[in-house]
Amino acid sequence: DAKTTQPTSMDCAEGRAANLPCNHSTISGNEYVYWYRQIHSQGPQYIIHGLKNNETNEMASLIITEDRKSSTLILPHATLRDTAVYYCIVRATPSNFGNEKLTFGTGTRLTIIP
Amino acid sequence: DVKVTQSSRYLVKRTGEKVFLECVQDMDHENMFWYRQDPGLGLRLIYFSYDVKMKEKGDIPEGYSVSREKKERFSLILESASTNQTSMYLCASRQPNTGELFFGEGSRLTVL
Repeated sequence: DAKTTQPTSMDCAEGRAANLPCNHSTISGNEYVYWYRQIHSQGPQYIIHGLKNNETNEMASLIITEDRKSSTLILPHATLRDTAVYYCIVRATPSNFGNEKLTFGTGTRLTIIP
Repeated sequence: DVKVTQSSRYLVKRTGEKVFLECVQDMDHENMFWYRQDPGLGLRLIYFSYDVKMKEKGDIPEGYSVSREKKERFSLILESASTNQTSMYLCASRQPNTGELFFGEGSRLTVL
C-alpha cells in the first residue's frame, strides 16, 4: 500500500478555504486517493475520493496533481464544525479490493479559528 | 440511513478479564475492520474480515482475536485484558462499489 504524508496540524480562519495537502509519491496506477475526517469523539467519516481527475461533492473538492504524487483537499468555506482530524489514504480500485487491509496514518489536525 | 453499531460506548474492565466488543452493520457489507486509536498514533488496524468466517491480521493483532459467524456481526475479543489495551476501539465496514468505509461511534475501553 502506498504511504501518505500529511502535516501534523493546520489552522484556518473561519469562512476561508482550507487547503489540506497530502503527499503519496509511491502511489500506483490502480490506487485511489480517499479522504476521511474525524470529529472529536466520533468515528471517521468519508469525505471524497478520486483516481486522477479532480472531484467535487457537497462537502469538499479534491485536486490530484497530474503525476498523482500529491493531492489537496479543499473545504471552500470553512466553518467551526470543520475542526477535525483529516486522513488521506490510498487504496486499490473499488472493483479490486480483494483481501486488502486498510491502514490509516495520523492525519492532519485542522483547527478553524473564529 | 446506513449504520454501523458498536455495542458499548464505554467499558471499564479489570486486568485479566475477557472482553467482547461487538459490531453490527446493516448494509450487507462483506468487509469489516477493527481499529484502535491512541493519542499520537492515529488509527491502527487490528484485524479485518473479508467474508463470513474469514479473517486476516492487521498491523497490531497481538492480544486480540476476532469472530465473524454472521455477515452483519464482527466481534473483537480480548482474551485477557491488559492495561495497555486501554484505548478507543473503532469498527468499520466497507461498501463494495465505492470503497467507502462506514465507522461506528467507537467503544472506549479502560482496563484497570
